[in-house]
Formats: sequence, C-alpha cells, structure tokens
Amino acid sequence: DTEVTQTPKHLVMGMTNKKSLKCEQHMGHRAMYWYKQKAKKPPELMFVYSYEKLSINESVPSRFSPECPNSSLLNLHLHALQPEDSALYLCASSHLTKGEQFFGPGTRLTVL
Amino acid sequence: QKEVEQNSGPLSVPEGAIASLNCTYSDRGSQSFFWYRQYSGKSPELIMSIYSNGDKEDGRFTAQLNKASQYVSLLIRDSQPSDSATYLCRSSGGSNYKLTFGKGTLLTVNP
Repeated sequence: DTEVTQTPKHLVMGMTNKKSLKCEQHMGHRAMYWYKQKAKKPPELMFVYSYEKLSINESVPSRFSPECPNSSLLNLHLHALQPEDSALYLCASSHLTKGEQFFGPGTRLTVL
Repeated sequence: QKEVEQNSGPLSVPEGAIASLNCTYSDRGSQSFFWYRQYSGKSPELIMSIYSNGDKEDGRFTAQLNKASQYVSLLIRDSQPSDSATYLCRSSGGSNYKLTFGKGTLLTVNP
C-alpha cells in the first residue's frame, strides 16, 4: 500500500465549530506532516511528527491542534477557526524526515 | 533570501518541446532535492528525487543537480499537454532543518 488517505475530502465549518481532519498511511513511514496550501501558493509546513512525537511546530496558532495516536495515524483538531483559515490541508508522510514525502489528496476546508 | 527559489514563470512551451524548470537554494548543507508536480485542485505528486551531483533520468524527465552552483533543474522532454501543471522544487537536510518548497513554476504545454 503506497497511499496516504485523508478524510474528509471537503469540510465546511462555522467559526464556533470543532472538527477534526484525519490522515492515515500504511507504508511504515515514521515521519508525518501537516501542510496548509492557499490558492496559487506552495504548501506551507505546519507540523512535523517524527516517531509519533511532535518535532516541528511552525508557529501555528493554537486553534490548530495536531495529534499522532500511532505511527499510521495523524489528526488535526480544529477549533474556533477564522475565515482566513480556509485552504487545502495536506497530509504527507516519509520514511525519514529528510526523505521523499508522499502526499494525501488533501481536505478542502471552508470556514464560514 | 528565500531558501529555495524557482524561476517564477509562468512557462509556456509547444507540444513536443523541452521544458526547463530551474531552482536555486541557499543552504549549502541541503542534501536532498525533490521535484513535485501539482495539477490544479490536486495534491503534489513526487516525480523526481536527486541526491548526488549530475543527472538523473526517469523516462521523459531528467533532474540535474549542481551543488557547487547550488541549483537543481528539471527537464521534461517531448512535453505533452498532460504535463501542464505547477512544478514545485523542495530541498531538505539543510543545517536549519527546514523542509522548504519553492513557490512553484506553472508550466503550460500548448497543443
């Protein structure tokens, strides 16, 4: 299995909602990532997990809360988001933190 | 200076031509370089990785790395309309541990 899956594909939420994005990989990768991508911009790194521990937090607001329950799963918990948080949220995984990254299809998030 | 810079484009080539995409990087400690293709509305797809100086070929794609000059390039031979996408360059392994994408180059291949 060489796939990274993400659910849901699309999410619309209000500013007071709490929701979660999910990511799963079964490639035995020990590094997992969350990126945010706005239209016509490159992916912007948010968080890096290495061996299930948070190793990089790129100064992301606390309304985004990552979680890595096990080596195959990565969640991103969302609370009190702002309309400017609307974007494509991408999950990726890699064998090592310096290696090739494989991306999931993304979750298109709209905050109303 | 940004860590990874790409020629901003957009780049337009006729079908069958060679498309040349370039990327420069500032961190001499960078060890690994990757090219991704991203179609509009889709996620990035890894198409090439290169770690050593020189050329690496895979089908119609050739990645070139020159560590002395700190640039990496991607050549697409016999370009097809299906190659029309944004191409992203990424470096990793540098001294400050950044996992950095360039801003991308939009390639259009005209039939």
